[in-house]
Amino acid sequence: EDKVVQSPLSLVVHEGDTVTLNCSYEVTNFRSLLWYKQEKKAPTFLFMLTSSGIEKKSGRLSSILDKKELFSILNITATQTGDSAIYLCAVVGNYGQNFVFGPGTRLSVLP
Amino acid sequence: EAGVAQSPRYKIIEKRQSVAFWCNPISGHATLYWYQQILGQGPKLLIQFQNNGVVDDSQLPKDRFSAERLKGVDSTLKIQPAKLEDSAVYLCASSAMTGDGNQPQHFGDGTRLSIL
Repeated sequence: EDKVVQSPLSLVVHEGDTVTLNCSYEVTNFRSLLWYKQEKKAPTFLFMLTSSGIEKKSGRLSSILDKKELFSILNITATQTGDSAIYLCAVVGNYGQNFVFGPGTRLSVLP
Repeated sequence: EAGVAQSPRYKIIEKRQSVAFWCNPISGHATLYWYQQILGQGPKLLIQFQNNGVVDDSQLPKDRFSAERLKGVDSTLKIQPAKLEDSAVYLCASSAMTGDGNQPQHFGDGTRLSIL
């Protein structure tokens, strides 16, 4: 059965800290891994990763995929209170016909 | 571009009643998804459409849930009859092309359903 595990499930840091969020997965016929940020409403797209070892970067956020070890990390440097959200990892398998989300990591950034 | 539109935003019903949700995807997006997100959990895929055909509905409780996308654009998700455990946020998402896993999904704001 396809599954996604995220850790930690909850994290509290102070502004300026750097955080690393983890996502490990098992999926049949892996196609891609996606990271989303969910505040109060809809998840918003952050990154899509399909190849191992290629870092994707957007401002203070970056992510990388390891297809051999079946995991991805999402890094946030110099955290701000606006980074407080649930970060969701999702994998796409079975030739694009199977989408599985992890439970999310709830990040709280304190001033 | 306009995002994924969903309505209503909130719905409160009693158990055993019926409810329907509506979704209008981003223009031109061929693939549409309905997810159920229970509080504290990640979204769970209920059904995936490509144009007006069903690609995957393996996790849709078909005894009470139904969904359609008759003209390949808008979609409705219905629950009949509702149970207490259906209380959740129902998210609609769409993606370009054929949902082959190489296009990100864009989500609507969801409908928060509460069953009394």
